[in-house]
Amino acid sequence: AQSVAQPEDQVNVAEGNPLTVKCTYSVSGNPYLFWYVQYPNRGLQFLLKYITGDNLVKGSYGFEAEFNKSQTSFHLKKPSALVSDSALYFCAVRDNGRDDKIIFGKGTRLHILP
Amino acid sequence: DAGVIQSPRHEVTEMGQEVTLRCKPISGHNSLFWYRQTMMRGLELLIYFNNNVPIDDSGMPEDRFSAKMPNASFSTLKIQPSEPRDSAVYFCASSLGGQGAGETQYFGPGTRLLVL
Repeated sequence: AQSVAQPEDQVNVAEGNPLTVKCTYSVSGNPYLFWYVQYPNRGLQFLLKYITGDNLVKGSYGFEAEFNKSQTSFHLKKPSALVSDSALYFCAVRDNGRDDKIIFGKGTRLHILP
Repeated sequence: DAGVIQSPRHEVTEMGQEVTLRCKPISGHNSLFWYRQTMMRGLELLIYFNNNVPIDDSGMPEDRFSAKMPNASFSTLKIQPSEPRDSAVYFCASSLGGQGAGETQYFGPGTRLLVL
């Protein structure tokens, strides 16, 4: 069965520093991988996704993520954090060889400290 | 496009009452999803539809929960009778395309339900 793990409940980063939010996954076939962001009292917003092709995926708000097949990871990164990046981040995975639904991780709360 | 529309945005009810949550997906989207979010359990998929047909309802907690999609532009999630443990934020999402596609889901603003 497919699964996704976000090992950190919370990540604190100083404004201007690079940030990384970790995600690992498990699928039987090839993965579709997604990152979503949730701001307070809002629904989830799509950030970026990996389907195929270049392992480095660029998305909204300056975020990017790197697909690493050998490590089964899809970590979210940004070179320079902004206070406005503070939010809840969800990684999600789907096995593209199966008729399975997308599975979301538990979420990582990102705090950017001014 | 207005995005996914959910109503009501907030609902406060008493235990035992029926609750109906509504969702209008993005026009042209073929798949619709209902999620529940709580602090304890995170984001849980309850049910999803493809072309108005329920595909997987394995996430529906129990028989008190039911969902329908009578047409491509409307879906309801009903809880009858409601219980305090049903208090959560309920999200509806829609996506273009059906099974096997790497489609992006677009989420509504959610309905915050409080059952007293």
